[in-house]
Amino acid sequence: DAKTTQPTSMDCAEGRAANLPCNHSTISGNEYVYWYRQIHSQGPQYIIHGLKNNETNEMASLIITEDRKSSTLILPHATLRDTAVYYCIVRVASNDYKLSFGAGTTVTVRA
Amino acid sequence: DVKVTQSSRYLVKRTGEKVFLECVQDMDHENMFWYRQDPGLGLRLIYFSYDVKMKEKGDIPEGYSVSREKKERFSLILESASTNQTSMYLCASSFWAGSEREQYFGPGTRLTVT
Repeated sequence: DAKTTQPTSMDCAEGRAANLPCNHSTISGNEYVYWYRQIHSQGPQYIIHGLKNNETNEMASLIITEDRKSSTLILPHATLRDTAVYYCIVRVASNDYKLSFGAGTTVTVRA
Repeated sequence: DVKVTQSSRYLVKRTGEKVFLECVQDMDHENMFWYRQDPGLGLRLIYFSYDVKMKEKGDIPEGYSVSREKKERFSLILESASTNQTSMYLCASSFWAGSEREQYFGPGTRLTVT
């Protein structure tokens, strides 16, 4: 699976959009971009994933650049409950096991 | 919504005890997983199962065994608990087929072995 690079931490104001970047310059054509988050002392939570096109669901939007070397997770209206560690993962969908998280980005939403 | 439940949020056991961690999912997922998560080491796969009675070793199976007698239930067994098995244990499940296969996690069990 391709390696990803994320900022260590970022702050966001409540009610504003939070834009979380992820670099994955070695991504290959059959690898998907997945995002998970983990709120303190809880299990990880799946957020969204995509291959080439931008994706949106009730939690977030995922913007993938045309060359697929980077992506941005957007939380449109951050709330205090969005404070968590966010993990960007690039993997082939068929590699169903070995879900590996790097250090992720610690996002703190401030009132 | 997918629901993955784990039998305990917190557990304290003594060295040498046999420990059972239970996981149940309600989405008819074929795949189920057991991970442990430790500070600085991230998420590590212990075992996974892609069908009833089927199991595969992950990266760190030593000291653990698993059981999957029913599709919705996956149990992790610590045969003889040791202090180095103090950790957060996370169960997850996913579909087998399709390009999606995102994993859904339970709330975790924080196990302390004294």
